[in-house]
Amino acid sequence: DAKTTQPTSMDCAEGRAANLPCNHSTISGNEYVYWYRQIHSQGPQYIIHGLKNNETNEMASLIITEDRKSSTLILPHATLRDTAVYYCIVKLHTQGGSEKLVFGKGTKLTVNP
Amino acid sequence: DVKVTQSSRYLVKRTGEKVFLECVQDMDHENMFWYRQDPGLGLRLIYFSYDVKMKEKGDIPEGYSVSREKKERFSLILESASTNQTSMYLCASSSSWRNSPLHFGNGTRLTVT
Repeated sequence: DAKTTQPTSMDCAEGRAANLPCNHSTISGNEYVYWYRQIHSQGPQYIIHGLKNNETNEMASLIITEDRKSSTLILPHATLRDTAVYYCIVKLHTQGGSEKLVFGKGTKLTVNP
Repeated sequence: DVKVTQSSRYLVKRTGEKVFLECVQDMDHENMFWYRQDPGLGLRLIYFSYDVKMKEKGDIPEGYSVSREKKERFSLILESASTNQTSMYLCASSSSWRNSPLHFGNGTRLTVT
């Protein structure tokens, strides 16, 4: 699975959009980009995933560049409860194989009042 | 919403005890997983299962076993707990549909004294 690079930490004002970048320059053509977040003392929470088209759901939007070497997770109106560590993961779905999610260190997002 | 429930949030056991960690999911998912999460090491896969009575070793199976007698339930067993098994244990499940994301429980923080 391709390696990802994320900033260690970011701050965002409450009510503003939070844009979390992720670089995955070695991504291969059939690898997906997944985003999870982990709030302190809880299990990781799935947010969104995509292959090459931009994706949106009730939680966030995912923008993937045309060359697929980077992506941005957008939380359109950040709230204090969005304070968490956000993980960008690139993986090949291997049906029948092991799900070796490599979470890395992620980005610690702090939403300030 | 998918619900993955782990039976205990906090557990304290003594060295040498046999420990059972239980996990139940309510989405009829075929796949279930046990991870442990330690500071600086991220999430590491212990065991996983793609069907009832099936089990596969992950990256760090030593000292652990699992049981999946029913589709909704996946148990992690520490045969003889040791202090180096003090950790946060996370259960996850996913559908066998292609690119289905993992959904995690809130974790069990196990302390072995």
